[in-house]
Formats: sequence, structure tokens, C-alpha cells
Amino acid sequence: AQSVTQPDIHITVSEGASLELRCNYSYGATPYLFWYVQSPGQGLQLLLKYFSGDTLVQGIKGFEAEFKRSQSSFNLRKPSVHWSDAAEYFCAVARTNKLIFGTGTLLAVQP
Amino acid sequence: NAGVTQTPKFQVLKTGQSMTLQCAQDMNHEYMSWYRQDPGMGLRLIHYSVGAGITDQGEVPNGYNVSRSTTEDFPLRLLSAAPSQTSVYFCASSYSGVSGELFFGEGSRLTVL
Repeated sequence: AQSVTQPDIHITVSEGASLELRCNYSYGATPYLFWYVQSPGQGLQLLLKYFSGDTLVQGIKGFEAEFKRSQSSFNLRKPSVHWSDAAEYFCAVARTNKLIFGTGTLLAVQP
Repeated sequence: NAGVTQTPKFQVLKTGQSMTLQCAQDMNHEYMSWYRQDPGMGLRLIHYSVGAGITDQGEVPNGYNVSRSTTEDFPLRLLSAAPSQTSVYFCASSYSGVSGELFFGEGSRLTVL
């Protein structure tokens, strides 16, 4: 069964606009949740992670994500997108020594 | 520190050939893993290791072997390459398993003809 779902394959936003990337997970217990970013031709870099506690977590580069248990979601947000944010974004869930990734959302930023 | 180093960066194989993708990290991380990345499929876990001498299967282990004789190195072996193994391969390591940040190599692009 798919553990992580990213329903949006491709999103285009204008520079300066707000951004929300969706992530849903299917896992019984409260999972460890992550967002990673991949710039073209590069490996992945951790943006933020959630284990427990405050459901709104802050990350690098101005990103934040909110854990909603009732919706099994962990959406990534940014209030104002910069052209340098164009990349592919991956949500991931940790399950017993395995980090399982979603299929990714490719973000394009229009000038 | 070099971080996670993968070699080679590019490789072309013929069907049935064997090869080894090398991965080395200099951060004394116990946890290491291999992923493959294919368009539209994200990253899929092939094998992982929680320490020297310990390896286990991920989501897509068939056709791949691994070993972990030292903390630093985690090679991925393709014994008989198939076109379905054409992909970009990433090695990653972490100090504290999957609860910690994974540090990724730059990737190895493999084409099997």
C-alpha cells in the first residue's frame, strides 16, 4: 500500500505568490514526516521534519509545514515564492528503518 | 568533509553485464541506503544498512545486492543488468537512522542497453 501520496505532479506559481504543496500519508501510528527538495541534477536536501509536539514546523528557506492528524496530511507552505524555489519537492514518511518517499511535486515559478 | 561520494556519475552497460556502484561517506554515519529515481515514481528504496555487517531489503531489492563491511562504504551491485534498471541511483546516509536527516550523494546515472 502506498504510504505517501503527493496528488499534484506539477504546480506553477507566480513569483511572490503563496505556495501549498499537498502530502497525505497512510500509516497507523503518528509517523515521522519529512519534506525534501531536489534542485535539477542534484541530490535531495532536507527542508523540515515533524516527529511530535507543535503541529506547525518551520524549516529552511522560509518553508513551513502543518501536520493534521485528522486529515493524515502534512502540507508544505511558503508565503511568498522566489524564483530559486523552482525544484522538485518530496514528502517522505519514516517506517521502521525505511524512509519512503512520495512521487514528488515539480514546482515551476513564473516571473 | 566530502559528505556522501558516489562513483561513477555516469555508466552505460549492456544487458547482462555486471557492475558496482560505489558509495562512501566520511561522516561516521551508521545508517546508509540506496534509492533509485525514475520519472513519475519518486525515489524508491532498494536496500539499506543500519551498521557494518547489517543490511536489509527496501521496496525494490530484486536484481541488486549490497554489503556493508565498513561503516564508510556501502556498494550496490548489479549482477546481471537489465534495461529496467536504467535509472538514477542515489546513496544516502544518516547519523541517527531514518529519524535523522538523510545526506544524499549527487547520484549515478545508469543506462542499460
